[in-house]
Amino acid sequence: GQQVMQIPQYQHVQEGEDFTTYCNSSTTLSNIQWYKQRPGGHPVFLIQLVKSGEVKKQKRLTFQFGEAKKNSSLHITATQTTDVGTYFCAGPQGAAGNKLTFGGGTRVLVKP
Amino acid sequence: GAVVSQHPSRVICKSGTSVKIECRSLDFQATTMFWYRQFPKQSLMLMATSNEGSKATYEQGVEKDKFLINHASLTLSTLTVTSAHPEDSSFYICSASRSAATNEKLFFGSGTQLSVL
Repeated sequence: GQQVMQIPQYQHVQEGEDFTTYCNSSTTLSNIQWYKQRPGGHPVFLIQLVKSGEVKKQKRLTFQFGEAKKNSSLHITATQTTDVGTYFCAGPQGAAGNKLTFGGGTRVLVKP
Repeated sequence: GAVVSQHPSRVICKSGTSVKIECRSLDFQATTMFWYRQFPKQSLMLMATSNEGSKATYEQGVEKDKFLINHASLTLSTLTVTSAHPEDSSFYICSASRSAATNEKLFFGSGTQLSVL
């Protein structure tokens, strides 16, 4: 079945530094979504990428969808303590419906 | 943004009892809702897809008689953990979307922490 993998599993970042987390799917995706879950909270939708090679920015967050639509990345610049949480990527299972397969997540810890 | 309400947020019960968790879409109609289980520091494990007016679709390995799902209206889905045991202790989260389109984003409830003694 479809698998979505994320690396790294954990990311310890010094406040102010940049980092990137990667997402890889075993199958081509029609779109990829990113969610953020704060400690003790629930996942919250961040963004969706649809087009091959698409790049979208949200303030200090830059999301990219690979040319083959099988991978994606999230780059955060000048990390802040508010960036703490787990970032999940997710892709639709199959060609129809919105049942998503979630990656294992990247848990981000920020050192002040 | 759309709001999904989930209750209760925390429940402690004795082994052998049943627990019902409600998931409501407050400002939109959700023909499909999803139920997940999440262990500490792990990803979301999809348990089942709840379809309004029809039977839920369970993922492989999830006991449908253990985790009863009812989707009686376009705004409400319930998950009942029957005859709960300590191994059922977990964080359960629901999600809903406005449509079943593949590019539709999900709105999550706040989750229910279940502890079975």
